Amino acid sequence: NAGVTQTPKFQVLKTGQSMTLQCAQDMNHEYMSWYRQDPGMGLRLIHYSVGAGITDQGEVPNGYNVSRSTTEDFPLRLLSAAPSQTSVYFCASRRQTYGYTFGSGTRLTVV
Amino acid sequence: DAKTTQPPSMDCAEGRAANLPCNHSTISGNEYVYWYRQIHSQGPQYIIHGLKNNETNEMASLIITEDRKSSTLILPHATLRDTAVYYCIVRVADTGGFKTIFGAGTRLFVKA
Repeated sequence: NAGVTQTPKFQVLKTGQSMTLQCAQDMNHEYMSWYRQDPGMGLRLIHYSVGAGITDQGEVPNGYNVSRSTTEDFPLRLLSAAPSQTSVYFCASRRQTYGYTFGSGTRLTVV
Repeated sequence: DAKTTQPPSMDCAEGRAANLPCNHSTISGNEYVYWYRQIHSQGPQYIIHGLKNNETNEMASLIITEDRKSSTLILPHATLRDTAVYYCIVRVADTGGFKTIFGAGTRLFVKA
């Protein structure tokens, strides 16, 4: 099993550009989440999903969209990148009451 | 807001047990306590979880008080590689299911 795979690992965007951060898991987990972590800070929940076709907002959803068309994939879209979105983005998945498995992160810089 | 309270930092001598406390006084009857850790800039790593009984796995032990208002994560023989931020989380119910909110955690320094 590959676990949770995030691509790309690094990305630099210009202000106003859009992009999609990819997240895929091969463990057939129902639950998936996106977090962001700013330097020296804790993780903040952006969006999460409890199954294919079902998503909901977390603590900091503004500026981001998600969709969950399959169990395996949970992409995060930045609509119009802003410097305040410079962060490390983590995707995670879990099954029922078990703990999350996290990906290795995408380091995004918006200039 | 996170529903847990943890000390911001702790020290532990290498080879000794590290006992990390967590208060969750408003926990509901069907909410689990989860522990994760994050080493440097890596993705968080799940350690252990429990509902009301004490739990043990190859990484750690989790002791939950009888009233479930607090818990302690025990690393029995801490090593330098256990230096990390440790997060105690109570899973928060939401309309769409349960969302996991991270607090600030405890920064554990294991010293030689």
